[in-house]
Amino acid sequence: EAQVTQNPRYLITVTGKKLTVTCSQNMNHEYMSWYRQDPGLGLRQIYYSMNVEVTDKGDVPEGYKVSRKEKRNFPLILESPSPNQTSLYFCASRGHMNTEAFFGQGTRLTVV
Amino acid sequence: LAKITQPISMDSYEGQEVNITCSHNNIATNDYITWYQQFPSQGPRFIIQGYKTKVTNEVASLFIPADRKSSTLSLPRVSLSDTAVYYCLVGDGYAGNNRKLIWGLGTSLAVNP
Repeated sequence: EAQVTQNPRYLITVTGKKLTVTCSQNMNHEYMSWYRQDPGLGLRQIYYSMNVEVTDKGDVPEGYKVSRKEKRNFPLILESPSPNQTSLYFCASRGHMNTEAFFGQGTRLTVV
Repeated sequence: LAKITQPISMDSYEGQEVNITCSHNNIATNDYITWYQQFPSQGPRFIIQGYKTKVTNEVASLFIPADRKSSTLSLPRVSLSDTAVYYCLVGDGYAGNNRKLIWGLGTSLAVNP
């Protein structure tokens, strides 16, 4: 089954404690993205990657890092989480040339 | 960059046709228009995509006028399970630049019995 898998689904952490949210897709897609979703603000792109070892900033990259060492994986790293990064995070992937994006189930992160 | 405006919420009843209009005045020549559906605690799911005129698939139709400054998602005979948030997106998929996808803030559709 074609899918994008994020882990964990829920995470509560403390300010400053580094964390990683994993994302994996099994569709051999070139493009992968991370979004955060906040009430009243919709989905905002954090980072995206057009292929292995190619990443770029989205609209709200501050406080986040990503890596793309393998085509299927695109982890999101918060080196020093802060309460304003409390949000619902989605990973997405799509093939090239204007194809539909597939989203993961989301990771609800709370930073206290 | 295109700015997207869509209604915050809409109400309907089972069996009715629902039309959700999205405004994107500054749409660029290469931009496509895409709609996604999102249920609570789930990721958005692709519904339909188009460039101009009309596109229809098994779940929806998308109407795009000649000037492409707006688009209308049409859901025929909605059911309770269509209660969700619907997002309008504008973007240049052919440029291969994922960053150019611009999301609207979503329309929360409530379908009543």
